Amino acid sequence: DAGVIQSPRHEVTEMGQEVTLRCKPISGHNSLFWYRQTMMRGLELLIYFNNNVPIDDSGMPEDRFSAKMPNASFSTLKIQPSEPRDSAVYFCASSFGTKETQYFGPGTRLLVL
Amino acid sequence: GQQVMQIPQYQHVQEGEDFTTYCNSSTTLSNIQWYKQRPGGHPVFLIQLVKSGEVKKQKRLTFQFGEAKKNSSLHITATQTTDVGTYFCAGRETSGSRLTFGEGTQLTVNP
Repeated sequence: DAGVIQSPRHEVTEMGQEVTLRCKPISGHNSLFWYRQTMMRGLELLIYFNNNVPIDDSGMPEDRFSAKMPNASFSTLKIQPSEPRDSAVYFCASSFGTKETQYFGPGTRLLVL
Repeated sequence: GQQVMQIPQYQHVQEGEDFTTYCNSSTTLSNIQWYKQRPGGHPVFLIQLVKSGEVKKQKRLTFQFGEAKKNSSLHITATQTTDVGTYFCAGRETSGSRLTFGEGTQLTVNP
């Protein structure tokens, strides 16, 4: 059974470029979470969706970040324009219900030069 | 907002020694979850505690939820090199769905 799928696994880009991270949740899960992990700030929740609807985006750092979930099997996190301080590992997680166990994807390691 | 604090930040032990990490929340929690992240990997769910004073065991791991539901601990007996990784607690407030992760405790086990 496939777990949460994220792509790309690694991304290196230059400052000012647009970055799009993708996530496919576990089939049947109706909640999806985007996290960012850095050494300085640890694991931070950016946004989460329930039944494709954004519920809490208070963790989104600024307007350069946006997330969408057009259907139950796909979500994107976009950074435009990217900055070096956005360098981090971005994890997507999914669960069956917002209060249940979260299953994390392998993460996207983003480096903005 | 809610804060979840975890100590220690780092712990180095010799194989066979015990290990404990502590988690404290600024607010009362409805439940607390524990995750383990291996170096270079992603967080993997270990367990969820819901009841006040609850204690759960998984082989050499013992998890405890405080009576006031504001703190928790994870204890590993006789550590092994396979226990290496970062252990995170994640608390959920009584009023919401959001999980707030602690900073994690990075465990190193010397063989």
